[in-house]
Amino acid sequence: QSALTQPASVSGSPGQSITISCTGTSSDVGGYNYVSWFQQHPGKAPKLMIYEVTNRPSGVPDRFSGSKSGNTASLTISGLQAEDEADYYCCSYTSSGTHWVFGGGTKLTVL
Amino acid sequence: EVQLVESGGGLVQPGGSLRLSCAASGFTFSSYWMSWVRQAPGKGLEWVANIKQDGSEKNYVDSVKGRFTISRDNAENSLYLQMNSLRDEDTAVYYCARESAMTRDYWGQGTLVTVSS
Repeated sequence: QSALTQPASVSGSPGQSITISCTGTSSDVGGYNYVSWFQQHPGKAPKLMIYEVTNRPSGVPDRFSGSKSGNTASLTISGLQAEDEADYYCCSYTSSGTHWVFGGGTKLTVL
Repeated sequence: EVQLVESGGGLVQPGGSLRLSCAASGFTFSSYWMSWVRQAPGKGLEWVANIKQDGSEKNYVDSVKGRFTISRDNAENSLYLQMNSLRDEDTAVYYCARESAMTRDYWGQGTLVTVSS
């Protein structure tokens, strides 16, 4: 069982917006602004999409945005495109001995 | 261009050992923390270990403590993961990743480790 809880799947039509949640505790998501989001296409390495809750690395479209409220972080993708279909993982620093914890992943389907 | 290339994966019997390597290029390797992250077949990502720039600090997930050792050679721009007493549940693709801004900003393509008799 993953330390952070994500929905197993979400879906949306091209052009729509979707939000993926990532729920933890005050020891991880709620306690630190060190939440990241990664995109992973099948057979490929993960790609960083959001770091420190809201920041986008250069080259990541501004359709991708991150936020946090309490112990839950969220990734929002607006203007969905076919190439956004992938698995998405959140990750947070944790004060537990594990140091870094990931969510179980969310499969995004673009209908 | 930042590049991370893992090698050393393969098939190993339970209880066996394997050493993974990660060759880094395109950035000043000695200036960054580095991580290993793994992904079991069809499963999610799991952080395994990380190491400070000079190797003076190392952290591990509980499930590998005492069995895995992370190390680095800054002169060779290389990261390593020595894996001993391997178990079936260690079967995964192992990724090398650079740490920056409290995240992992660049990842290699991964190397597959299969633990099976």
